[in-house]
This record gives sequence, structure tokens and C-alpha cells, in this order.
Amino acid sequence: GENVEQHPSTLSVQEGDSAVIKCTYSDSASNYFPWYKQELGKRPQLIIDIRSNVGEKKDQRIAVTLNKTAKHFSLHITETQPEDSAVYFCAASPGGYQKVTFGTGTKLQVIP
Amino acid sequence: EAGVTQFPSHSVIEKGQTVTLRCDPISGHDNLYWYRRVMGKEIKFLLHFVKESKQDESGMPNNRFLAERTGGTYSTLKVQPAELEDSGVYFCASSQWQVPYEQYFGPGTRLTVT
Repeated sequence: GENVEQHPSTLSVQEGDSAVIKCTYSDSASNYFPWYKQELGKRPQLIIDIRSNVGEKKDQRIAVTLNKTAKHFSLHITETQPEDSAVYFCAASPGGYQKVTFGTGTKLQVIP
Repeated sequence: EAGVTQFPSHSVIEKGQTVTLRCDPISGHDNLYWYRRVMGKEIKFLLHFVKESKQDESGMPNNRFLAERTGGTYSTLKVQPAELEDSGVYFCASSQWQVPYEQYFGPGTRLTVT
């Protein structure tokens, strides 16, 4: 089955700096890669996703990159703000309605 | 529209007892998923319903776990008898039966088995 590894497990950055979270996956059949943000005590929420026919996707201060050959994908947050503090999960899926396999999460702390 | 809801938000039970968790998906969502996060580890898939049918239950840990979705609306996940290692946060998610299949998560039920 699919295995998703995520690094780092914790990340502290100064407000305004950039944050990068990296993930790798094992199953070449995966072609959908969502990223979820979970604030303390709240539900995981989809913040951005990317499909295997795209190498990069950007939404305001958030961007994701995908290297399908190397089975790597990354989340980039620029100009971080205190409200970006949360646990971020990367995930992989064959797509469609099929299950999503999550990474172990990265706790991001943005220091004002 | 109302989001995915779960009940209860917290449950503390003793080893050997039974607990039933409930999930109400977003109205009209045919896909319903159960996931679990144990002790700060990854969120792990348990099973997937399409309407009232189990599409994939490969993540169910053992036969102490029973999931149902009668009528294809809400779902229940029963743990009987509960063991210490069942402690964790149980999430439910739902999605439409069409593109983009985005999974919307509920707030989770925190289960503590003592």
C-alpha cells in the first residue's frame, strides 16, 4: 500500500519568513496530492491540492510542487503570519473517491 | 451548507466497555470515510462507504470495530470491547460522487480508553 513520509515534524519560523514542508510517497499509482491544515481543536481543512499532470500550483501565499519522477511533493508558505500556525498534513491518493493516505504531520509555529 | 458533524466530541470509557461514534456527512455526499489519528501519528484510513455499501474496509484494525451506514445517510462506528490502544481521535469525512471528490472532514471524536 501507499506510504507517505513527511518532514520536518516541527518547524518554527519568524513571522514574514518562508516555511517549506516536504513529503515523499511510495505508490506510483498516486496522482492526487492534497494538503490539509489543522488548527488547534479544529477539523482538518483542505488548503491546496495538486494532481500529477501539474508540476506546480500556487494560491496566494501557498504553493505546492510535485516531482512525480522522484515521488516528492512540497508545500511552500511565503510571508508567514501567526495565523499560519497549525499542523499541516500532506497526503496522497490514486484519485477520485479512493482513500487518502496521510503523512505524520508538521507542527508549524510562526513566531511574531 | 452544514458541514460534517460528529458526536460525541469526547468520550472517556474503561477498557472492555463499548462506545458508538456517530457521523453525519454533508447532505448529498455519497462517499463517507472514517479515519483515526493515534497519539500524534498520521491520520490513518479505516473504511469507506459509498451510500450504504462498504467500498473499502482495508484499514479496519480488527473485528472489535463495526461500522454501519444504514440508509446511506449517517454512519456509526462501534468499538466493542474497547482496548487501551483504541484511544485517539476518530475523524469522519465525506465527499460527493463526482469531481473534484474533495473530502470534507468533521471535527473528530476524541476517544480515551482507560
